[in-house]
Amino acid sequence: DIQMTQSPSTLSASVGDRVSITCRASQSISRYLAWYQQKPGKAPKVLIYKASSLQSGVPSRFSGSGSGTEFTLTISSLQPDDFATYYCQQYNDYHTFGQGTKLEIK
Amino acid sequence: EVQLLESGGGLVQPGGSLRLSCGASGFTFSAYVMTWVRQAPGKGLEWVSTIRASGDNTYYADSVKGRFTISRDNSRNTMFLQMNSLRAEDTAVYHCAKDGTDTDYIWGTYWDHWGQGTLVTVSS
Repeated sequence: DIQMTQSPSTLSASVGDRVSITCRASQSISRYLAWYQQKPGKAPKVLIYKASSLQSGVPSRFSGSGSGTEFTLTISSLQPDDFATYYCQQYNDYHTFGQGTKLEIK
Repeated sequence: EVQLLESGGGLVQPGGSLRLSCGASGFTFSAYVMTWVRQAPGKGLEWVSTIRASGDNTYYADSVKGRFTISRDNSRNTMFLQMNSLRAEDTAVYHCAKDGTDTDYIWGTYWDHWGQGTLVTVSS
């Protein structure tokens, strides 16, 4: 089974900051990785798929990069609406999520 | 507009059974791989099961294999999850999700639409 490890688990930042979240796979997953944003009591929302493709309707301040075993989600300039929990998901071999990164207001 | 609506959750005793449904609208249901994902209270997301567009192929997480059965009725635009031998650790909100591509790729890809979920509580 492929394990996905996200870091950090919690991230404190301010509006306007540039932040990055990392996701590491236990073996190569090529570029079969998606990123989701989830707010309390809501369903997850896809931001990025195929490692770096921006989902339609998602603001361009979100970007993804990486391949193989290491991936990054970057938010170029944090907005108030961005404080949420973020998950990576691999779909190279069935599906596995990272444990999540909670992005908090500093 | 794509809509996914789960139903069938509730309180069940350990060892009991429950059948979840996911009604879909706003897209050609029969063309898409569909998936169940769950989230235990205060925990992260966990993939549960996936079914290909035709329903001929199904995939399960090890944690539910042999206890849960996924199925679909393309004539009714509905997906199901039959859950047997339920355990306390199955307590979660269960979301249905639509695949992000229409390529009917084996176990599916990412998910571009999700339902709001239905809560399953396993407790005596």
